[in-house]
Order: sequence, then structure tokens, then C-alpha cells
Amino acid sequence: GNSVTQMEGPVTLSEEAFLTINCTYTATGYPSLFWYVQYPGEGLQLLLKATKADDKGSNKGFEATYRKETTSFHLEKGSVQVSDSAVYFCALSDSQAGTALIFGKGTTLSVSS
Amino acid sequence: GAVVSQHPSRVICKSGTSVKIECRSLDFQATTMFWYRQFPKQSLMLMATSNEGSKATYEQGVEKDKFLINHASLTLSTLTVTSAHPEDSSFYICSARERTVTEAFFGQGTRLTVV
Repeated sequence: GNSVTQMEGPVTLSEEAFLTINCTYTATGYPSLFWYVQYPGEGLQLLLKATKADDKGSNKGFEATYRKETTSFHLEKGSVQVSDSAVYFCALSDSQAGTALIFGKGTTLSVSS
Repeated sequence: GAVVSQHPSRVICKSGTSVKIECRSLDFQATTMFWYRQFPKQSLMLMATSNEGSKATYEQGVEKDKFLINHASLTLSTLTVTSAHPEDSSFYICSARERTVTEAFFGQGTRLTVV
């Protein structure tokens, strides 16, 4: 079945450091891929998405490229801020309407000043 | 993006009582809604999927008589935790998808504490 694997955290960085959070997936067909962010005590917010191979999703300085050849969707940001501290979830959606997204286990990012 | 409103954000209830959590899609028709449970520092556990006007489909291990889900309209789904016990204390999150859209949108979550 479909699955998502993302690097375990926590990831601890200093402000302005470069961020990479790895995410790989297993899926049949052509899933859409997402990164969601969860701030403490809140629900999930969609950060970015990509719906087909080679698409690059970007938002708020974060980027991720849909790599079908490596089945990956790694999240990157060139210069993190303290306000980026949160839990990041990689997820995939198959083509069937009405099915739940499949999530990775989440990666906690902690950025210090 | 689309907005999903979940209410209440926090609730404390006594053991044995029931609690209802509402999830509303404010600016789109949510043909499918999902309910998740999240334990501290863990990922989301899908509890059930509900399509408007149909009975919810529960994941294995989730008691359907304890976690009652109703999806009576395209903008509202409710989760009722019946006869709550302390072990039901958790963070519950709803999510909604529109038929033609690939992503899901999430409510703000409800912190349930059963005392």
C-alpha cells in the first residue's frame, strides 16, 4: 500500500541555517504530495504541494520538488527563522476522491536565535 | 486556502459524559471529512472517514459506538465521544476534502480532557 517515510527528528538549528527534511514515498499511480506544518496546539496548515513529477511547490521560503525517479519530496529552506519552529508532516494523496491523506510521522523542527 | 473551523478548541468533561465536536467547512463543500486523533509528539491517527449523507467508515480498532460521527450536510460533520473516559483525552483534528481538490484542509483541533 501507499506510505510516506520522513526523517525522524527532532531537528535543531540556529537561526539562518539551511534546512532539509527528507521525505520519501511509496505509491502506485501518480499521487499528489504535500507538506503540512503544525504549530503547537493547532491543527495542520498546508505549506506547499506538488501534483506531478518535477513540480516544485514553494511557500514562505520553503521549497520541495516532486522527484518521481527517487520517489522523494524533500523540504528545504535556505534560512530558517525562530518562527519556523513547528512539526512538519509530509503527506501524499492518491487519485481517488474521498480518501484520506497518508502522513509521515512528522519531524519536529526547533530553531534557536 | 479553504477554511475549516473546528469547535470547541478545548473542552474538559467528567468521566461518563458525552462531548460533541463540530467541524465546518466555511467556504467550500466538503464531500468527505476525516477525523484524526493525535497523541503527544506523535503523528495523526485516522479514526474515520465520512461522506456526506453516508455512514462513516471507521478504521480498525476504533469503536464506532464510542466515537459517533455524523456528516449530515456538505459543510458540517460532528464527532461525539460518548461515555468519555480519561483515556479518551487527546487532541482531535478534523479534515475536509472537496471532491475535485487533491489537498485536505484541517480544523484547528480540539483538546479534550476527561477528568
